[in-house]
Amino acid sequence: QKEVEQDPGPLSVPEGAIVSLNCTYSNSAFQYFMWYRQYSRKGPELLMYTYSSGNKEDGRFTAQVDKSSKYISLFIRDSQPSDSATYLCAMRTRDDKIIFGKGTRLHILP
Amino acid sequence: GAVVSQHPSWVICKSGTSVKIECRSLDFQATTMFWYRQFPKQSLMLMATSNEGSKATYEQGVEKDKFLINHASLTLSTLTVTSAHPEDSSFYICSARETGNTEAFFGQGTRLTVV
Repeated sequence: QKEVEQDPGPLSVPEGAIVSLNCTYSNSAFQYFMWYRQYSRKGPELLMYTYSSGNKEDGRFTAQVDKSSKYISLFIRDSQPSDSATYLCAMRTRDDKIIFGKGTRLHILP
Repeated sequence: GAVVSQHPSWVICKSGTSVKIECRSLDFQATTMFWYRQFPKQSLMLMATSNEGSKATYEQGVEKDKFLINHASLTLSTLTVTSAHPEDSSFYICSARETGNTEAFFGQGTRLTVV
């Protein structure tokens, strides 16, 4: 079992819909949980960052962590075509390594 | 957010030559920089972690003699791909973490094509 599992998609949703992206993980030592957005041929851009179970909101984005289930989610409200990108979950270990999921390709249909 | 600049953004080189990629933190000091490789439609794979003034720590399976990493200052790390071969063609991305901070910021990436 890989340390971080993420469905690669693609996921297509109509503009304005709520998007739900998820990752599961197996290593209970992960301390920090992040979501990155990556456009084609670009470096990843940090969207959300959290270290505790619960929800964290920033504008249209909500990150949710459930440590007991080893499950994290990113919700995007009022999705826009400009949200079309690959979304990577990432987790940081105590020895400072960041482990990425495979990324989910998201398409917002106008 | 903090800015990490990576140069060049793309490079084409002949097989057998060496290529150097630079990663700079523009508005913060980065004691730790990370180098990743990403193949098409794949995740970022950590190659090595570099700390300013010390030797880089390479991940299992990454040849340290082939991928030379130098982190000579708090704002600059370089990755040199030595004796490049077509199978080294990939997207290389660096990230940098500010001293005392937990967030890491990424460069724009370098697309290397070895012909």
